[in-house]
Amino acid sequence: DTGVSQNPRHKITKRGQNVTFRCDPISEHNRLYWYRQTLGQGPEFLTYFQNEAQLEKSRLLSDRFSAERPKGSFSTLEIQRTEQGDSAMYLCASSRVEQFFGPGTRLTVL
Amino acid sequence: ELKVEQNPLFLSMQEGKNYTIYCNYSTTSDRLYWYRQDPGKSLESLFVLLSNGAVKQEGRLMASLDTKARLSTLHITAAVHDLSATYFCAVDGGDDKIIFGKGTRLHILP
Repeated sequence: DTGVSQNPRHKITKRGQNVTFRCDPISEHNRLYWYRQTLGQGPEFLTYFQNEAQLEKSRLLSDRFSAERPKGSFSTLEIQRTEQGDSAMYLCASSRVEQFFGPGTRLTVL
Repeated sequence: ELKVEQNPLFLSMQEGKNYTIYCNYSTTSDRLYWYRQDPGKSLESLFVLLSNGAVKQEGRLMASLDTKARLSTLHITAAVHDLSATYFCAVDGGDDKIIFGKGTRLHILP
């Protein structure tokens, strides 16, 4: 069990570009969550999956954001036409009961 | 809407002293969590509290839960520098979606 992994760990992009992040959960964890954390704030829930089904999306998740978990294993979070306000740490967590967090992907939009 | 409030948000204390961080939440919940986050790092689970009157201790940290008052405390005994970090209180918002407080940034002075 290697824990939750996320790639890339850091991403710098120019405004208007698309970015995609990947999360690999702990094996056999059926639930997978995405959170966003801005500087000085606590993580905010974005969306979650049970197996391959996306069950809830936060109002924070604008139309530019899309998440998938195609085979119920890894997940991707894509942000289209990035804006400077998207700069944040994007955290993934997986669970069977308790949530375990990955190291996060830090996005900087210039 | 479930809200989680922590206080204080910033705390600077001397080594060897005791202090308490408070966490209030607005609606009933099945679980309360305490996490630690070091700068630039992800979240480390410290405690999961499930029932009224629950108390858990790990080293110099002790967490308690009063569900009637919707209050949890994280008590630090004889603080040491290694405990410097940001501590988050979080509450289960349903479907294991976690709602976080803003965090308490703890700085322990030698």
